[in-house]
Amino acid sequence: ETGVTQTPRHLVMGMTNKKSLKCEQHLGHNAMYWYKQSAKKPLELMFVYSLEERVENNSVPSRFSPECPNSSHLFLHLHTLQPEDSALYLCASSQGKSTGELFFGEGSRLTVL
Amino acid sequence: AQKITQTQPGMFVQEKEAVTLDCTYDTSDQSYGLFWYKQPSSGEMIFLIYQGSYDEQNATEGRYSLNFQKARKSANLVISASQLGDSAMYFCAMREAFPGGGYNKLIFGAGTRLAVHP
Repeated sequence: ETGVTQTPRHLVMGMTNKKSLKCEQHLGHNAMYWYKQSAKKPLELMFVYSLEERVENNSVPSRFSPECPNSSHLFLHLHTLQPEDSALYLCASSQGKSTGELFFGEGSRLTVL
Repeated sequence: AQKITQTQPGMFVQEKEAVTLDCTYDTSDQSYGLFWYKQPSSGEMIFLIYQGSYDEQNATEGRYSLNFQKARKSANLVISASQLGDSAMYFCAMREAFPGGGYNKLIFGAGTRLAVHP
């Protein structure tokens, strides 16, 4: 069982669809993150949850809606997306402070038509 | 403002040779951490090595070492004895002083694509 699991790995959706990305961590960590990785751009931090409370929201459009029902699960709800939202969405988790290392999942590759 | 710069979009290296991937950073914090991650084509970001700003010794992890030059604000990754499986994207990242709240905020550079040739 891998540390951080993301589903689906690939998703194609139209601009009017509603879909969700799921992330599950099996590491007992207390913080979870969503990053967006677009072509030729550095990873962009979208949201951070610490102890199930959202602590960071980096000016992300409202068509992206995160949800953290418990410390092991993180969702990213998607609705009325734009083609420029096509990207690799990476979920990560970390344990408190430690050294600050984030553990990543394999990502969900999203294509918006 | 914090910033990570990786100036090499792509690098080539012959198998079994060493390669250095460059990373410079900018921060006004005294306490910070520097990381290197590897991203193969599968997409997962794999943690390689960590260096704390107060660590006096350069970090090493197997074939990976971090050449930390604090005064120059550089944190270059050195991969010794390159292998074909090292072909991937490599990202340098920085954590500034902990923002509080039990989480860590990493910012990433644009990455360097490394190709290892047989």
